[in-house]
Amino acid sequence: QSVLTQPPSVSGAPGQRVTISCTGSSSNIGAGYDVHWYQQLPGTAPKLLIYGNSNRPSGVPDRFSGSKSGTSASLAITGLQAEDEADYYCQSYDSSLVGVFGGGTKLTVL
Amino acid sequence: QVQLQESGPGLVKPSETLSLTCTVSGGSISSYYWSWIRQPAGKGLEWIGRIYTSGSTNYNPSLKSRVTMSVDTSKNQFSLKLSSVTAADTAVYYCARDTGSHFDYWGQGTLVTVSS
Repeated sequence: QSVLTQPPSVSGAPGQRVTISCTGSSSNIGAGYDVHWYQQLPGTAPKLLIYGNSNRPSGVPDRFSGSKSGTSASLAITGLQAEDEADYYCQSYDSSLVGVFGGGTKLTVL
Repeated sequence: QVQLQESGPGLVKPSETLSLTCTVSGGSISSYYWSWIRQPAGKGLEWIGRIYTSGSTNYNPSLKSRVTMSVDTSKNQFSLKLSSVTAADTAVYYCARDTGSHFDYWGQGTLVTVSS
């Protein structure tokens, strides 16, 4: 069981908007630790998608956005494209300096 | 562009020690944390632990008793040892640069299978 909770799957049609939630606790997200998001395409290593709750690394399209409130965070993807079909993971650290991940969410583009 | 490459045996016998090395190229290993993360087939990501270039470490409590990490700044490498392995330790193992909050560069991953 993962420390951060994500829905196992989400889906959307091309062009639509989807969101993926990430729920933590008072010892990680709620303690003020930043949330980060990774995209993992099949058979590849995870790739940093959002860092510091809402910042995009260079090269990540602005269709991807992140937010954080209280003990939760969200990843939003607008203008859904077939190439966005992947697994998405949220990540933070906790007050014991332990890295924590969500269980991952599989995005299906219909 | 920073690149990371894991290396080590792909097959380890039960009860033995898994040993992996990550070589960093395209940048200095100094002044960063370096993490190990693993992923069993079809499952999610699990953080194993991290080491700073000073040698300071943080480990996942669930693995702490079996994990040892080290760093060799002269070779731009850091290493993972996981002792007393079982089939449950079979996974793809990734090394990653840890900014202190997130992982911005990842290796391609290496599959380690625990089997006799």
